[in-house]
Amino acid sequence: DTAVSQTPKYLVTQMGNDKSIKCEQNLGHDTMYWYKQDSKKFLKIMFSYNNKELIINETVPNRFSPKSPDKAHLNLHINSLELGDSAVYFCASSQVLRGSSGANVLTFGAGSRLTVL
Amino acid sequence: SQKIEQNSEALNIQEGKTATLTCNYTNYSPAYLQWYRQDPGRGPVFLLLIRENEKEKRKERLKVTFDTTLKQSLFHITASQPADSATYLCAQGGNTPLVFGKGTRLSVIA
Repeated sequence: DTAVSQTPKYLVTQMGNDKSIKCEQNLGHDTMYWYKQDSKKFLKIMFSYNNKELIINETVPNRFSPKSPDKAHLNLHINSLELGDSAVYFCASSQVLRGSSGANVLTFGAGSRLTVL
Repeated sequence: SQKIEQNSEALNIQEGKTATLTCNYTNYSPAYLQWYRQDPGRGPVFLLLIRENEKEKRKERLKVTFDTTLKQSLFHITASQPADSATYLCAQGGNTPLVFGKGTRLSVIA
């Protein structure tokens, strides 16, 4: 069973379109994330979402909106896609590592490669 | 603001040798440093975590050190194998969203 699954794996679309990426985790984790990995392979946090709180990264344009119907799902919706949105988007979830006194260890999905033409 | 820097983009090493990857941080000492492995087309996979008050952590052929004086963590793979070829990411943070370095692409040559 895949722990963190994202769909679709590949997404090719035109500028100006709206698209969504779905993410589901079956690990029972309370916290989920979206990361963006650009062409230079730099992995950057976009959002984190706990049961109770959505933490928004201020550098993320408001065209990006996460939606969490329940704690096992965190979807990413993108409006008015731009060329610069082309990247690989990773969903992740986390739990506190036993014996680490509070450190969160992330489990990532396989990524969704978005190409905007 | 805090930065995590992995200065080597790529590292080539002969099979059987020890690979050493460097992660530096600026400003304050993070409570934890974590190391992940990423293969092409896949998400990062957690390898090791080391706390601020720990000098060294080991797991099989992997060893991580944390030097708060140098503001640096070193990641070692002993007896390296071609299967160890991947990108290795350093990340800082504990109970907040992890901040990743840009990664070092390791190639182990047979």
